[in-house]
Parts: sequence; C-alpha cells; structure tokens
Amino acid sequence: QQQVKQSPQSLIVQKGGISIINCAYENTAFDYFPWYQQFPGKGPALLIAIRPDVSEKKEGRFTISFNKSAKQFSLHIMDSQPGDSATYFCAATARQLTFGSGTQLTVLP
Amino acid sequence: SQTIHQWPATLVQPVGSPLSLECTVEGTSNPNLYWYRQAAGRGLQLLFYSVGIGQISSEVPQNLSASRPQDRQFILSSKKLLLSDSGFYLCAWSRQVGNQPQHFGDGTRLSIL
Repeated sequence: QQQVKQSPQSLIVQKGGISIINCAYENTAFDYFPWYQQFPGKGPALLIAIRPDVSEKKEGRFTISFNKSAKQFSLHIMDSQPGDSATYFCAATARQLTFGSGTQLTVLP
Repeated sequence: SQTIHQWPATLVQPVGSPLSLECTVEGTSNPNLYWYRQAAGRGLQLLFYSVGIGQISSEVPQNLSASRPQDRQFILSSKKLLLSDSGFYLCAWSRQVGNQPQHFGDGTRLSIL
C-alpha cells in the first residue's frame, strides 16, 4: 500500500524557472512532512519540512505548500538552478517515515 | 555537530556469502537508528529501526538482520546473501521516533554476483 503518492516521476525545467513537485497522502495520522534532496551516490539530505498546523513554509528558494483538507503537499523551487538537479523525495511520518517514490529533477542551463 | 558514517561505500559479494555493514553516529547520545534499502529509481524502504542498545524492530521480513551492540553503532548483517539483496543501503538517525527529522549517511552500494 503506497501511503504517499508523488508526482511527476521526472521533471525538466529551464534555469530560472519554477519546479513544482506534488505529493498526496492517505494516513491522517501523519504529523510531519519532510522533503529530501538526493544526489547520485549520496544519501538523502533533509531540505525542508512542515507540520500540519501551517499551510506554507519558505526557506530561501524552497517553499512547501500544505493542504490538510485535501491531504496534499507540494514543493516549489523558485529560480531553479542547474545545481538543483537531483532526485527529490517527499515523506510523511506518524511513527516512521513513509517516502514517496521520488522525482528526478533536471534543470537545463 | 552530529555526523553519521557508513562503510564500506561499495561492496561486491558473491551469492551465499555473509554480509556486515556498519553505521556509526557521532555527536549525539541515544539516537534512534534506522536501516533503509533503496532500489534503483525507487523510494526508500525501512528495514529495521532501533530505539536503544539491543532493541531492534524489523519492518520487513527478509534475509537480513540488524544489531545494535553500542549506543551509536548499528550493524546490518546477513548469513547468506541472495541476488535480491542487491541495492543501496542507507543508515539514518533521529533524536526520537515520530515527527522528527531523520539524517542519512551516504550509503553502501551492494552488488551481489
């Protein structure tokens, strides 16, 4: 049972554009929603996270939008740069982290 | 600051051989520790987690086992590797179970021949 559904599977964006990755969850017990960035051959690194009592969190060029009623959350990368090219995972946790299937982002120079 | 170390970075093993992957955390006490497996192009699957020395919870029945002999040491083992054990193995730590961030090591790429 896939409890966190992530889309798109891959995304190509021009430099300076906005990258948007979406996730939907089913378990209403989830209470923490992190996003991870993973470069090839490396472990995932925590990028930004949100708790369900807020609808938006911004850190630099990265913003999480959270819609509790729709059970959806998304990552927006503003002014996307080639260095942002990586795989991004959304996740959600009640007791343990449940990961989405990942989005491979390519930012073209 | 806290750091997490995994070794080896890559490993090639024949089918039927034993396995031992090690993970250590520095800069924190009594961390929660986790082993994940990541298949190519896929998300992460939780294999084991531990909330203390000698305390291991298994999430997925399989050919692998885990042990925590010391507070900041977590070991993933197998007595006889299968072809299906190939993958990218990641260790992670957090301050407590639940709504806390998990921090990952750089993983071990395991290939079974």
